Amino acid sequence: AQKITQTQPGMFVQEKEAVTLDCTYDTSDPSYGLFWYKQPSSGEMIFLIYQGSYDQQNATEGRYSLNFQKARKSANLVISASQLGDSAMYFCAMREGYTGANSKLTFGKGITLSVRP
Amino acid sequence: DAGVIQSPRHEVTEMGQEVTLRCKPISGHNSLFWYRQTMMRGLELLIYFNNNVPIDDSGMPEDRFSAKMPNASFSTLKIQPSEPRDSAVYFCASSPLLGDTGTALRSGANVLTFGAGSRLTVL
Repeated sequence: AQKITQTQPGMFVQEKEAVTLDCTYDTSDPSYGLFWYKQPSSGEMIFLIYQGSYDQQNATEGRYSLNFQKARKSANLVISASQLGDSAMYFCAMREGYTGANSKLTFGKGITLSVRP
Repeated sequence: DAGVIQSPRHEVTEMGQEVTLRCKPISGHNSLFWYRQTMMRGLELLIYFNNNVPIDDSGMPEDRFSAKMPNASFSTLKIQPSEPRDSAVYFCASSPLLGDTGTALRSGANVLTFGAGSRLTVL
């Protein structure tokens, strides 16, 4: 089974509007972390936001927030007030377990976001 | 902090040649990861190290691929012989080592920082 599922093939949003990028995950480990990365056309991987499985509140980082619904195993990224520079590929990822032996980061397929002026 | 440093940034080689990609992780980061990105397969984990020891190499495609981490500040990914299907962007990433119960996964300290990538083209 896929660990991370991102099913939206591509998203469009008008500049200054909010957009939600979907991510569902699958794990039986009670301890895990969820991450979102941005990859612009230049190719670098930029960390955006992190949510721990034991965190009581949804994570926020500036214009980014994570809508964490643990029972549904979803971790959707919300970008508020979209900017042209937000046009990029967005990856959801998960890291499981406490111990180093299980500490690899597994990525979803990614979602392409295009911001229209 | 210079971040994760990868070299070369671009490599074009002919089929059958040996390719060596290099990575310098962030100082103090004791976990190092090699990923490969292609359009067809997305981001795949090839191998990762904790404290210079390979932990999981199940993602290494075949015996033509090998990775080493001789010390805490240097790692190599080698392909010998290279094939056109190896063409991809290879990322190195590092993070603090996930520690004991309850620590790293309850904070953002376990974030992976990626290098700029090495774009490999095998003709």
